[in-house]
Formats: sequence, C-alpha cells, structure tokens
Amino acid sequence: QSALTQPASVSGSPGQSITISCTGTSGDVGGYDYVSWYQQHPGKAPKLIISDVINRPSGVSNRFSGSKSGNTASLTISGLQPEDEADYYCSSYTSGSSLEIFGGGTKLTVL
Amino acid sequence: QLQLQESGPGLVKPSETLSLTCTVSGGSISSTNYYWGWIRQPPGKGLEWIGSMFYTGNTYYNPSLKSRITISIATSKNQFSLELTSVTAADTAVYYCARHRRLGGMDVWGKGTTVTVSS
Repeated sequence: QSALTQPASVSGSPGQSITISCTGTSGDVGGYDYVSWYQQHPGKAPKLIISDVINRPSGVSNRFSGSKSGNTASLTISGLQPEDEADYYCSSYTSGSSLEIFGGGTKLTVL
Repeated sequence: QLQLQESGPGLVKPSETLSLTCTVSGGSISSTNYYWGWIRQPPGKGLEWIGSMFYTGNTYYNPSLKSRITISIATSKNQFSLELTSVTAADTAVYYCARHRRLGGMDVWGKGTTVTVSS
C-alpha cells in the first residue's frame, strides 16, 4: 500500500496563500470524506488541523481550509505567517485491513 | 484534557523486541468513538501508521509490518502497548501514540519517544 502523494516542498511569502495537494486512489482519498491534515514543527508531535476533508478542530485558525476533488485532497493556507513554516502531512481512511494511510509530507517554507 | 504519554526503552538491540506503552490520562480508553494507535517517524522522514486497536480488542495493522507487530490494551490501567519483533536499524524512529478517530485521523498525540536500534 503506497503512501499518498504530496509535493516535497512549497513556499510562499507572508500574506500570500498556498495550496498543498494530497493524491490517493478511489480506495482512500477518493472513496471517503475522511481526509485529515497535520502540521508538524521541528521536534514536535503532529497537530491535527483539518479532519473529514473540511473540518477545523477547535482552536485551529480559519486561515487553514481543506477541500477534495476526486482522488486529490488539498490544504490551503491563506495569509501566510512565519509560524506556518512547518511540515504538513495528509492522511486518509482506507479500505481493507488497514485503517489509515499517510502522505509523504510537504515542507512549507515562508520566505 | 486528554493526554497521552509514551514510555519504554530508548535503545533496543538488533533482532530483539521493541516494547512501548502509552498511558492515557484525562479520559477513558474504553471509548466507542476511538481507536488507539501507534505511528512512527524515522529520522528525517515522514509519518507511518503502524496500527490501531479498539478497546474491545479489534486490531488493525499496517500490512507491511503486520507479521512483526502486536498491539494490546489494558483498560484497567488506561494503557495500550506496542510490541515490534525482530527489529533492525530501519526501525529506528520516533514512536508516537495517538487517539485515532473511528472515521479517520489522529486528534490527540503523545509527545513521542525516540527508539534507536543499535548494538
């Protein structure tokens, strides 16, 4: 079972918007509205920032938003701030004997 | 507030068994809405789901690790555990425990524990 596909890196300037894609198959991303996104700063545990494709947990900034089209989910961060510089991972519920599959991660650099 | 804390040896010899425990505080492990899972992250690499368990004992494992892993749960202690057998250097990683939502996603994470496989 291969990891979901994410770009290795993205970058943007403060105030700009960026989008990170997460591509899977009909057996995971495309088949279920159960895609999650995590933010991970160096040396820290991941933090859930989007669940169920579009839902933000309490306390997460509304600058983070999620969407999905077909087998690809996307995370958009608007109004980039320096503290958004981190690694971002997607995950999806998946069919079969597994439950969850992660993407390879995307490093966001705020220029 | 729910908190998870991993514990276990930081150094394991090749071919031996890695054993970790996650202690859950601030909430019950006997919840019908969540699994309890393990995730790892090798140095400089991405996250890998290892497996998850429901409090009733139902387990789900990553197919690539299934032959070597066992996840168990001790509801009386509010703990769950991971055993990974026949470890090699490739199993060196930060190991996280997490609360795993039944419909996907890990919403509460432990801080992680570093396990190094070396003689």
